Order: sequence, then C-alpha cells, then structure tokens
Amino acid sequence: AQKVTQAQTEISVVEKEDVTLDCVYETRDTTYYLFWYKQPPSGELVFLIRRNSFDEQNEISGRYSWNFQKSTSSFNFTITASQVVDSAVYFCALSEAGETSGSRLTFGEGTQLTVNP
Amino acid sequence: KAGVTQTPRYLIKTRGQQVTLSCSPISGHRSVSWYQQTPGQGLQFLFEYFSETQRNKGNFPGRFSGRQFSNSRSEMNVSTLELGDSALYLCASSLGPRTIGGEQFFGPGTRLTVL
Repeated sequence: AQKVTQAQTEISVVEKEDVTLDCVYETRDTTYYLFWYKQPPSGELVFLIRRNSFDEQNEISGRYSWNFQKSTSSFNFTITASQVVDSAVYFCALSEAGETSGSRLTFGEGTQLTVNP
Repeated sequence: KAGVTQTPRYLIKTRGQQVTLSCSPISGHRSVSWYQQTPGQGLQFLFEYFSETQRNKGNFPGRFSGRQFSNSRSEMNVSTLELGDSALYLCASSLGPRTIGGEQFFGPGTRLTVL
C-alpha cells in the first residue's frame, strides 16, 4: 500500500530564510506521481507541482524548488528567501498509476510552515 | 474559467441527522473526487466519480455515499451523523481518471460541524 510521510509537523522561520520541507513516500508501483499542495488558512488546496516517477530532474520555479530522489524515495521542497505569504500547511501527495488507482491521492500529514517577519 | 465550487461552505448538524454536500467541477472536467480532512486523520480519500460511476472508494463506512450527475456535478451524502464526522470536506476535479497523474483542482471545502 502507498504511504507518504512528512516528518516535520511544524517549522518556524524568519523571513528571508531558506526552508526545506521533507517528504518520503512508499509505493510498490513503478509508475507513480508525486505532488505538492499548499493549504492557506482559507482551506483550499492549491496545486504547486507534479512529478512522475520517470523524471528525476530537479525543478525550480521562482523561489520554489523540488528535489526528487528515487534512491531515497524522497521528494523534498525548498522555499528560498521565504516570505510571510508562504505561511501555510504544505502537503506532499502520491498517486499510483495502477488500473484501480484512478486519480486517488494519498497525502502526507502536512507541514505547518510559519514565516515570521 | 470558474474554479471548483462547493456548497454550502459551512454546515452545522446534530448527531443522527443526514447531510448532503454539493460540488460543481471545473467546466470540461468529468472526474470528481472527495476527501475528508480532520486534525486527527489528516486528508483521506472518500471516493471518485467519473461518468456518473463510482470508480474508486476509500476506507469509509457505508454511511458515506455519493453520486454524480450527467453534468458532472457531484453530491456526497452522510447519513446518521456522528461527532467524528465533523471535518472539512474537499472536492477535487480533474479531466478524468485516465489522465493519470493529472492535476486535481480543489474547491474551498465544506466545513461540517456535528453537535
């Protein structure tokens, strides 16, 4: 069965610090997809990135970057020069490509990031 | 393009009652998934619908049910409410289950409180 673990429950940083959110996953499928979502206090989950299991290239989007390493089953997320607006709960999620999986997402426990001014 | 809409946004019910939540997906999206979010259990998958058929179901009791209409709108129903059903219920839409790995867009959620 699939599982996603985000060991960091809460992280607090001061504005402009870099911060890395960890994500470790388990799956038996060879084809799968990994996601990061952001949940601000309003509650809506905002899609940040999707990665498939065959693409281990790191990705950078503005202040956000992602490090995918199949060897350690990790998909970590780094925010560079954090800002107060980055304060939110961040979720890592996994979707298996098996016939019965459909679009089902398995989420980690989430990491509450607080960026202080 | 309008996003995913969920109604109502807030709901207060008492134990034993039943409740129906509604979700309208993004125009053109045909797959709707439902998730329950609680402080104790986190985000858990409830079920997924595509073309009015339930494609996938999470590990929830039969009190939780859903359906999808021909216009892709979906409803979920919880009967005989229990205190533990208090949660944020999130709906997500995507183009379809065959777009494996495709982005799911989430609505703002319905906050259900059971007293």
